[in-house]
Parts: sequence; structure tokens; C-alpha cells
Amino acid sequence: AQSVTQPDIHITVSEGASLELRCNYSYGATPYLFWYVQSPGQGLQLLLKYFSGDTLVQGIKGFEAEFKRSQSSFNLRKPSVHWSDAAEYFCAVGETDSWGKLQFGAGTQVVVTP
Amino acid sequence: DADVTQTPRNRITKTGKRIMLECSQTKGHDRMYWYRQDPGLGLRLIYYSFDVKDINKGEISDGYSVSRQAQAKFSLSLESAIPNQTALYFCATSAGSSTDTQYFGPGTRLTVL
Repeated sequence: AQSVTQPDIHITVSEGASLELRCNYSYGATPYLFWYVQSPGQGLQLLLKYFSGDTLVQGIKGFEAEFKRSQSSFNLRKPSVHWSDAAEYFCAVGETDSWGKLQFGAGTQVVVTP
Repeated sequence: DADVTQTPRNRITKTGKRIMLECSQTKGHDRMYWYRQDPGLGLRLIYYSFDVKDINKGEISDGYSVSRQAQAKFSLSLESAIPNQTALYFCATSAGSSTDTQYFGPGTRLTVL
């Protein structure tokens, strides 16, 4: 069965600084990979996803992620964070025959300081 | 109006009570899901449904049941609530492919005393 690890439970970053959130997965074939964001009191919103093609994926809100098969990683990045990026971020993995079921990581809480 | 709605948004109940959480969607999707979110555990799948006649157990279905009343409606029931079912519950929908985005409702915060 696939699994998803987000090693960082909590990250604090200054506004304007760069941000990188780590995600590692365990799966035999090429997984479908997703990053979702949960703002306080809100449901989850998709930032970006990867299932084939170019391994550098652009998403909404200025985020991007890179799929590295050799490292089983799908790390999320943003060059310059804004105060509104304070939220919880979830990496999720699906598989070809999973009928849309996703396995979520535990999440990374991002705090943005002035 | 929101594409995926959940009612109630907050609920406090007592151990042993029966609780129903409701989810409605206007996206026209066939697939619907129920998750629970606990701190440090992320989201875990409780049940999922691919159409009105197809309902499947997820990772943590014990103590829960569901009903798919129509394509647009998917309800989650706790037959006899217990305190460790205190959590944030999310409904989600998606179209027919494994690569399709799941769209989430705003969540229901359930507290079982």
C-alpha cells in the first residue's frame, strides 16, 4: 500500500522568504501526486497535481512542485511567501487503480511572520 | 453558492447518540467521499461512493455508515457516537478519473462528550 510522509509538522517562515515543503511517498509505480492547502476554518483546496509529463508542475497562488522519481519526492515550493500563505498543507498520493482514493500525509502547518 | 456544502458545520453531542452529517454537491460529480481529520494524522478515508448503487468502505469505516440518497447527496452516520469520534469531517467529490481533483466541503466539526 502507498504511504505519504511529510517530515515537517510545523514551519515558520518570514514574509517574503522562500518556502519549501517536503513530501515523500512510497509506491511501486508512478503515483498521482497532489498538494492541497487548508486555510483556517476552510476545506481543502487543490494547489497542483502531477500524474505524467513535465516533472515541474505549476500551481495556483505562485506554488510549484517537482516530482523526483529517484528520491520518491514531490516537494512544494514558493519563491516568496505572503502572509496569506499561512495555512496547513497536505500532500496526497493516488494510484492508477485506486478509483480516485487518496492517501494523505499528516500535513505541515506553515506560520508566516512579518 | 458553494459547490460542496456540509451540514451542520458544528455539532456537539453525547456518547451513545446517533448523529447524521450531510453533504450536498452541485458539481454533477459521480464520486463522493467522507474523510475525518485528526491533528497529526492528516485526512483518513471513511467511505466512498462511485454512484448511488456503489458504496465502499475506506480505511476507517468501523463505527460509521453512509447513505447515498442521490447523485448529489451523501450522508455519514454515527450510529452510537463515542468520544474518539471527535474530529473534523470532510466530504469531497470528484469526477470519474483517478487524476481528477477532489473538491472539498467546508467541514463539520463534531465533538462527542
